[in-house]
This record gives sequence, structure tokens and C-alpha cells, in this order.
Amino acid sequence: QKEVEQNSGPLSVPEGAIASLNCTYSDRGSQSFFWYRQYSGKSPELIMFIYSNGDKEDGRFTAQLNKASQYVSLLIRDSQPSDSATYLCALRGAAGNKLTFGGGTRVLVKP
Amino acid sequence: DVKVTQSSRYLVKRTGEKVFLECVQDMDHENMFWYRQDPGLGLRLIYFSYDVKMKEKGDIPEGYSVSREKKERFSLILESASTNQTSMYLCASSLGGGDEQYFGPGTRLTVT
Repeated sequence: QKEVEQNSGPLSVPEGAIASLNCTYSDRGSQSFFWYRQYSGKSPELIMFIYSNGDKEDGRFTAQLNKASQYVSLLIRDSQPSDSATYLCALRGAAGNKLTFGGGTRVLVKP
Repeated sequence: DVKVTQSSRYLVKRTGEKVFLECVQDMDHENMFWYRQDPGLGLRLIYFSYDVKMKEKGDIPEGYSVSREKKERFSLILESASTNQTSMYLCASSLGGGDEQYFGPGTRLTVT
């Protein structure tokens, strides 16, 4: 089992709809969770992070963390074509000295 | 804003050449990382450094070495480039080891 699992997609979403991305992880000691966006040919850029169970909102993005079920989600509201990218989930494991990345979910927002 | 820069965006080298990839960050971050990214394989950690002159192997260190002589600079060295090292190389930095990482623009290396 991979440490961090994401559906590779593509996740096809109509413009204006909500895109829902999921990430599951195996290390119960994981402490911090991050979402990155990566456009084709570009480097990953941080969207947001979440440390505590529950929801965290930042503009059109909401991260949801459930440590008991070992998953973290990202919701993108009012999806725009410019949101078309690969979204990477990352977490800080119990060792705490690096991040572990998932393989990413490709999102396509269709006008 | 954190700025991470990499010496080259594109690089073409021949098999057997020694290759240096440089990364510089301007935010006084303690930790720096080198990844490679290949289609279908995601981001794979090659080496990381948590202090000057300190380094740790990541998941795929074979064929690579690193150098960190100054806090702001972290170099990746391919001692003898091979075609299977053709990839996108990404450098990142963070304040703490498990903190959010900020990435440089990447170097697309082609080894022929």
C-alpha cells in the first residue's frame, strides 16, 4: 500500500461546479497535510495546509481532514477552467523531517 | 515571498558527463530537498539537507550526490549522467523538515 494514495483521474468537472478530491494515507502518526497545485510543465505551488480535524476554508478552496478515517479532501467551489491542473496531496509523517507526496489527481474543468 | 531559484530551466547533457544542478533559496530556510518527477511516478525524493553540510538520502539516491556548503544553496550532482536520469528535477525548501515546502521552477534535464 502506498503511503499516500490519490486517484490519478482525470476528474472532469463542468465550469461552476464543485470539484472534490480525496487523499488517503497509511501513517496514523501523520501530523500536517498540504495541498499543492501543479500546472502542466510547472512546479507545484502550495494551495493550503491543514493540521486539525475538520474543515479549513480559503477562498474557493476547502480542505477537510479526518484523522480517524485517515483521509484529507480538497473541495474547489465554482470551478474555473484555470483550475485545470494536477493536485498533489502531501503529508508530514511521524518522523517529521520531510513530506510524503501522493501521485496527484488531474482535474479538467470544462467550460 | 519565498523565492527558490534553479540554475537552468532546460539542460541537455551527454551520457557520462558530470552534471551540476544548483538551487538557491532566499528565505533562510533550514531544509532543502531535491526531487525528480516523471510521468506516472510522481515526485520522488532524491536527497535532502537539514543543515549546512548535513544530508540524508531520500528514496532514490543512487547515481546522485549533493552538496550544501552554504545555507542558501543546495547542489545536486550527477557523477556520470545516464539516459535514465532524463527527468524534471525540482528543488524545494522549508523552514522545518515537515513544514510546507516551496518549489523552484524546475530543471528539465535531457541526457542523450
